[in-house]
Amino acid sequence: QVQLVESGGGVVQPGRSLRLSCAASGFTFKNYTAHWVRQAPGKGLEWVAAISYDGGNKYHADSVKGRFTISRDNSKNTLYLQMHSLRVEDTAVYYCARSFSDLILDYFDYWGQGTLVTVSS
Amino acid sequence: DIQMTQSPSTLSASIGDRVTITCRASQSISSWLAWYQQKPGKAPKLLIYKASSLASGVPSRFSGSGSGTEFTLTISSLQPDDFAPYYCQQYSTYPLTFGQGTKVEIK
Repeated sequence: QVQLVESGGGVVQPGRSLRLSCAASGFTFKNYTAHWVRQAPGKGLEWVAAISYDGGNKYHADSVKGRFTISRDNSKNTLYLQMHSLRVEDTAVYYCARSFSDLILDYFDYWGQGTLVTVSS
Repeated sequence: DIQMTQSPSTLSASIGDRVTITCRASQSISSWLAWYQQKPGKAPKLLIYKASSLASGVPSRFSGSGSGTEFTLTISSLQPDDFAPYYCQQYSTYPLTFGQGTKVEIK
């Protein structure tokens, strides 16, 4: 069955860096667009970044542009989010999500369980 | 950016009630709209895609309608498992955007 397992979250000071990983299994990872979506405590969902099936196209929300970078390693079935210059307002549960297809624009049909990132001094 | 606005923000209802949640887009998104349900401490779950298509395994009491800028999610007969927040999301263009959520509470 499709599984997405995030890791790499934790407590980090403002201005520091962190890299999140999402291990995919149960499907052919290289055939699907993938995303990061976050949810601040008690708040709604915010899309963060997307990457095409082959890594050739990437999109980032304005709120993280220039600080976060999405990437993937299809040989390892893993999605990444490199986060630099972290801010208190980046505190959230970060979910990886699979797009329904290889189209760059599609809905999310599977989500991971999320990993909590807390930015605090 | 396309703004997605849900109403109401909170909805109080009883078991067996028919409930409707509205989602409005700030510009036309055709039918590129999905609905998700999120239980506390869990990841969102896909309910509806392409505005009105029921996702696999989702009970038929859930339905979606609309196109362009106005969409609705309807639960025909509310069940105990349905009390949760619901989010709409457009996938017409980047940045992808979500509505602020509608919390369905027990009356």
